[in-house]
Amino acid sequence: GAGVSQSPRYKVAKRGQDVALRCDPISGHVSLFWYQQALGQGPEFLTYFQNEAQLDKSGLPSDRFFAERPEGSVSTLKIQRTQQEDSAVYLCASSLLGPPRGRKNSPLHFGNGTRLTVT
Amino acid sequence: DQQVKQNSPSLSVQEGRISILNCDYTNSMFDYFLWYKKYPAEGPTFLISISSIKDKNEDGRFTVFLNKSAKHLSLHIVPSQPGDSAVYFCAASSDSNYQLIWGAGTKLIIKP
Repeated sequence: GAGVSQSPRYKVAKRGQDVALRCDPISGHVSLFWYQQALGQGPEFLTYFQNEAQLDKSGLPSDRFFAERPEGSVSTLKIQRTQQEDSAVYLCASSLLGPPRGRKNSPLHFGNGTRLTVT
Repeated sequence: DQQVKQNSPSLSVQEGRISILNCDYTNSMFDYFLWYKKYPAEGPTFLISISSIKDKNEDGRFTVFLNKSAKHLSLHIVPSQPGDSAVYFCAASSDSNYQLIWGAGTKLIIKP
């Protein structure tokens, strides 16, 4: 596709349920990032993949959060035993190059996000 | 500890006038700054960037100014158009931490 695609657009989960959020990056993009955006805040980094390798997961808030990109394209962010504080928009972004080379002049292309509401 | 701050949650500007969005940062290691624009229910889209070796970068109606001594950058949009109504995010990164650090955003409203 032409852009980054995320599904589902909206997800309502009961506290304690597991959820899986999918991201289809732009074809050929090496780097893939997951961000969490709370209401009224800017995106916060969760994790970074270069191809299939997860090079940085320092932003994942707890061990209930797990991300994978097994074939270097589609990525899934899984949240186990969801809590109310997990309610947020989860944004996926891809870029042609990865850091450090691509830190400048390789801007992130974002999907429209998945809005997760935990009740 | 907010390293990137956008102190104005919202800004209202008349169509045709100049819009000035401000951003302050605290980390002197930041050397690359970006502005993203976000419409409701969409992801942010890249607008313009500036490296710390410059103090100005211009792209059409959009100009970003960087004042390193004040740790301040601003985005100027002139003339403002109705389609510019959106939330604008400032973000920064450094060599030691490539992760983008984002401000909380400023909602720009262009009045007809």
